[in-house]
Amino acid sequence: DIQMTQSPSSLSASVGDRVTMTCRTSQSMTYYLNWYQQKPGKAPNLLIYGASSLESGVPSRFSGSGSGTDFTLTISSLQPEDFATYYCQQSFSAPWTFGPGTKVEI
Amino acid sequence: QVQLVQSGAEVKKPGSSVKVSCKASGGGFSSYSTNWLRQAPGQGLEWMGGIVPILATPNYAQKFQGRVTITADKSTNTASMELSSLRSEDTAVYYCARWFRRGATNQFHFDSWGQGTLVTVSS
Repeated sequence: DIQMTQSPSSLSASVGDRVTMTCRTSQSMTYYLNWYQQKPGKAPNLLIYGASSLESGVPSRFSGSGSGTDFTLTISSLQPEDFATYYCQQSFSAPWTFGPGTKVEI
Repeated sequence: QVQLVQSGAEVKKPGSSVKVSCKASGGGFSSYSTNWLRQAPGQGLEWMGGIVPILATPNYAQKFQGRVTITADKSTNTASMELSSLRSEDTAVYYCARWFRRGATNQFHFDSWGQGTLVTVSS
């Protein structure tokens, strides 16, 4: 199985801050990497697919980059509604695996 | 996108089985992959398996092989997941989600999710 790590596991930031989090995979994914946001008590919500493509309806302050084994999710200007946990997920090969998450506290 | 509505919360004894259902609306149920994932309290997401109803053959994560059965009923647009030999570690929120292919690309992702079903395993 492909192993996923995320860093940091949590971060605290202020409204308006630029926030960056990373995801590393145990083998090369090329661009087969997705990012989800999950708020407490809710199902995850897709933000980014294919490492850098913004899902329809997702604010443009979210962006993804990277390829191979190293990927980054950036929030350009943190908003109060961005308090959530962010998960990366590989779509390169089954079983589909997720990172352990980065919790963003405002 | 499609709408996925799951059955309600369950409390089960260790050693028993649980069956969670996921009813789809919005069209195309038979041709897309409906998957099951779970999330233990305070933990991350874990993929269990999925099924494309028109193909009828499910695929399972090795961790759950022999304990999980995923089925789909095309007549009611409902997918189901049954997990047997329950233990306390199976206490989790179980989600169904559509595995969606983006256009003509090879990009896939989970795009529509059910609301989640809490399964509690306790004696």
